[in-house]
Amino acid sequence: AQSVTQLDSHVSVSEGTPVLLRCNYSSSYSPSLFWYVQHPNKGLQLLLKYTSAATLVKGINGFEAEFKKSETSFHLTKPSAHMSDAAEYFCVVSDSGGYQKVTFGTGTKLQVIP
Amino acid sequence: ETGVTQSPTHLIKTRGQQVTLRCSSQSGHNTVSWYQQALGQGPQFIFQYYREEENGRGNFPPRFSGLQFPNYSSELNVNALELDDSALYLCASSRGLAESTGELFFGEGSRLTVL
Repeated sequence: AQSVTQLDSHVSVSEGTPVLLRCNYSSSYSPSLFWYVQHPNKGLQLLLKYTSAATLVKGINGFEAEFKKSETSFHLTKPSAHMSDAAEYFCVVSDSGGYQKVTFGTGTKLQVIP
Repeated sequence: ETGVTQSPTHLIKTRGQQVTLRCSSQSGHNTVSWYQQALGQGPQFIFQYYREEENGRGNFPPRFSGLQFPNYSSELNVNALELDDSALYLCASSRGLAESTGELFFGEGSRLTVL
């Protein structure tokens, strides 16, 4: 069984300050982990993915995430928030065992204050 | 742009009616998954099709059914619509299971309102 927990439903930051969106996971297999972003009334766009290579993963738009197996975490960070980062962010775990099963977190809504 | 297209983008139905949603997968992808995203929630897995066969199903009743065609496009059918079926329905395509890391390529969704 696999699951993912996004620890904050809403995060509010000022423009130019760091962003931290937290995600913890559980998986019976060696998981692949992803962060997707969803802007209002849009589909989901892949920000970055971890697939058992480097534990620090760089994505688009200056985002990065670090896979920490000992903490079962995959937190998303960005050094400096931009107004265009305001969106909803989903942490996703994918099991490599059996058929491809993908589980989404409940999402974190990021607000960026000017 | 992911190359995944969904139609229609918006539709309104009444309780008890039936609806068909369509999805064209990205070129080179033979796997299509469908998700339901209710307002303010994360996407919930409905089912997945791989090479025209259902290959996994989430916790949805049988009135949610699907098809995948030889060109890997897909349909989601929902019968006997209920008010709680109102949601954004997302289609995602991906490479075949053996090659895939689980990365999904999403369309922009079909927003269904049931009155």
